[in-house]
Amino acid sequence: DAGVTQSPTHLIKTRGQQVTLRCSPKSGHDTVSWYQQALGQGPQFIFQYYEEEERQRGNFPDRFSGHQFPNYSSELNVNALLLGDSALYLCASSPRGSPYEQYFGPGTRLTVT
Amino acid sequence: AQKVTQAQTEISVVEKEDVTLDCVYETRDTTYYLFWYKQPPSGELVFLIRRNSFDEQNEISGRYSWNFQKSTSSFNFTITASQVVDSAVYFCALRIYGNKLVFGAGTILRVKS
Repeated sequence: DAGVTQSPTHLIKTRGQQVTLRCSPKSGHDTVSWYQQALGQGPQFIFQYYEEEERQRGNFPDRFSGHQFPNYSSELNVNALLLGDSALYLCASSPRGSPYEQYFGPGTRLTVT
Repeated sequence: AQKVTQAQTEISVVEKEDVTLDCVYETRDTTYYLFWYKQPPSGELVFLIRRNSFDEQNEISGRYSWNFQKSTSSFNFTITASQVVDSAVYFCALRIYGNKLVFGAGTILRVKS
């Protein structure tokens, strides 16, 4: 049984560019959450998707947007990248009926130069 | 406000020593969940335990044990007979509504042989 997968593993972008990160949940999971983890800090909740809709959002600007597809996979898009967006982006999926159980993927390391 | 405080930034122990990681939380809600996650150098957050606010029983799982005390708003984690493989960053997290997890800043545990 494959765990949560994320792509790419690492990414380097320039300020002002746009980036798309991808996440595939575990089999049987229908909810996807995204977190940003800056170096030396705990993860910060960005948003959560369920039934292809954004269900809950953290304190992040509109530059951060997402999408969930019918197969439950998800994308995180960040526009107009800032140096401060450099972080590890973690995706977590939750099983049907247990949205509070979150299983994390290995993350995507984004570096903005 | 919901907040998780892990006052210990970094702990170093010698193998076979016992070590306790502290977690103090703040919430006005009466129903909530507490979690501990382990983050090895690979970056993936590994789920260790979930405890709901109505269950104050302590739990032991192998070398791991957790002490939940509502009176002091603490949910401490003890590793008995630590091993080098326990070296990682450990996060305590709080879930209050929806499925957003609020994480502490983490405690770096270094176990030396």
